[in-house]
Order: sequence, then structure tokens, then C-alpha cells
Amino acid sequence: GIQVEQSPPDLILQEGANSTLRCNFSDSVNNLQWFHQNPWGQLINLFYIPSGTKQNGRLSATTVATERYSLLYISSSQTTDSGVYFCAVESWDYKLSFGAGTTVTVRA
Amino acid sequence: EAGVAQSPRYKIIEKRQSVAFWCNPISGHATLYWYQQILGQGPKLLIQFQNNGVVDDSQLPKDRFSAERLKGVDSTLKIQPAKLEDSAVYLCASSLGQGTGYTFGSGTRLTVV
Repeated sequence: GIQVEQSPPDLILQEGANSTLRCNFSDSVNNLQWFHQNPWGQLINLFYIPSGTKQNGRLSATTVATERYSLLYISSSQTTDSGVYFCAVESWDYKLSFGAGTTVTVRA
Repeated sequence: EAGVAQSPRYKIIEKRQSVAFWCNPISGHATLYWYQQILGQGPKLLIQFQNNGVVDDSQLPKDRFSAERLKGVDSTLKIQPAKLEDSAVYLCASSLGQGTGYTFGSGTRLTVV
């Protein structure tokens, strides 16, 4: 299966700081999603982004499919941004594989 | 639209007991997935259904886990007998079809003691 690597594994931010999370994948993919897992375990879809750039408020994401990576940007971080961020890639046979996640802690 | 519904939210059982989880996907979503998420790891696919047929169950421990999707809508995942290492969050997801993204339920947190 496709290998998905996320970095960094852990990130501690001061409220108001900006950050970048990275996702590398080992093969060409059909699609890519970024999720935020809240403290109650719910996986919330942030972006569905097989290629290009998308923005939603303080979050934005860029996927460069030809180079097999995606970036998630968090600007002006808030304490509510804390949680685990997962990158998941969909293979061409419609299997969704997850990375190990980046745990983000935003301190007030 | 209503999201993916799962129940129960929490379950504590003793090892060697059996347990079942239920999932109701988003209406019209043909594809349904069960994932297992062990603490500190990313979710791992257990089984994928397309309507009521199994597409992939290669990662499902078939000696103790079983799943079905009757009439191509609701699904149940069963563990019998449970082991300590089955303690995890079990997530259900559904998708309208290829290239349309996945929506996850809130999950069932299983603790085996």
C-alpha cells in the first residue's frame, strides 16, 4: 500500500503563531484529504485536495501531486486548533491510507 | 445532510466477551468503511463495502472479527471473542463514490479489560 509520512510528529505553538504541517506519500494518488481529530475523537474533514491550493479561513492547504507531498498551513493559531491533524491519501483502487498524524498543541 | 451515525459511543467489556458496533452511513453513500484506530496511531482500514458487497477485507482478523452490511445501508462490526489488543476506537466512514471524499462518524471507543 501507499506509505504516508507526516511531519513533524508534535508541534507546540503559542497562540497567534503560524505553522506548516507536511505530508509525503510514496506513490501517485487519486485524492488526498486533511482531517482534524478533536479531543473527542471525531475526524473532521478540513480539505479534500488532490492538487492545487485551497483556503478556508485561517487554514489553507497545497498539494503538489507530481512531487508527492501536501502542506497544511495554520495561520494565527488559536487554542481550538489543538488536536491531531491527519493526512490521508486515496489510492487508485479507492483505499484510504492515513499517516501517523501531527499532534498540535496551541498554548494561550 | 445528516452525518455518519455510530453507536454505542463507549463500550467496556472483559476479554473473551463479544461486542457489536453499528453504523448508519450518509443517505445515498454506496461505499462504507470500518477503521480501527489504536491510541497514538492513524486509523487502519479493516473492511470496505460497496453497497452490500465486500470490496476489501484483507486487514480484517477474520478469526474474531466479522462485518456485514445488510441491504446496502446500515452495517455492523462484531468482535468475538475480544482480546486486550482490540482496545481502540472503531470508526465508520462513508463515501458517495470515487473521488468524492470520506465522512467519518464519531466512533466507538472500546476498552477490553
